[in-house]
Amino acid sequence: GAVVSQHPSWVICKSGTSVKIECRSLDFQATTMFWYRQFPKQSLMLMATSNEGSKATYEQGVEKDKFLINHASLTLSTLTVTSAHPEDSSFYICSAPTYEAFFGQGTRLTVV
Amino acid sequence: GENVEQHPSTLSVQEGDSAVIKCTYSDSASNYFPWYKQELGKRPQLIIDIRSNVGEKKDQRIAVTLNKTAKHFSLHITETQPEDSAVYFCAASNGGSQGNLIFGKGTKLSVKP
Repeated sequence: GAVVSQHPSWVICKSGTSVKIECRSLDFQATTMFWYRQFPKQSLMLMATSNEGSKATYEQGVEKDKFLINHASLTLSTLTVTSAHPEDSSFYICSAPTYEAFFGQGTRLTVV
Repeated sequence: GENVEQHPSTLSVQEGDSAVIKCTYSDSASNYFPWYKQELGKRPQLIIDIRSNVGEKKDQRIAVTLNKTAKHFSLHITETQPEDSAVYFCAASNGGSQGNLIFGKGTKLSVKP
């Protein structure tokens, strides 16, 4: 099946700093990438949809200035958490839809 | 927008028994219903999916049923094994497999040997 590679798998950062998470489709072109967030023992919640060459679409309640999404090419989408705070600590995971949704490995972000 | 309800939140069964997890959805336009198994700290793994033009689908010990009229779909696991223990999520999309997924809250399945 299709492969989506997400990096880093985990990151610890200080409050106020920014963290970039990359999601690559390795063997197919992804015009769309979905970004989800999952808090401990909770479900996956859609944060935003990135579209290659255009602005991302954010779900209600998700701050677009805090969670910067860039989909510069057909194989790469990035999520940057700016000015991170402890409450941003979560599991972030991307998915690229084709005949099924292919998920990246996920990124465990811990803000201290 | 779509809302997906999933029950039960936890389920404990004896090895060899069957497990059933149920989900309901609100958007009649939803047309794709996947089920995922997620182990702690890992990505969700698709275990089975069903599209709105099908009422039932089976893959070895796993089956899914869909009732479009009632807007509910269920996951059935037979002959459960300890390695089936995980969190299971149902999801719904109105864009087929290309659309964004709305997930249920998950069911923690424990299979006791």
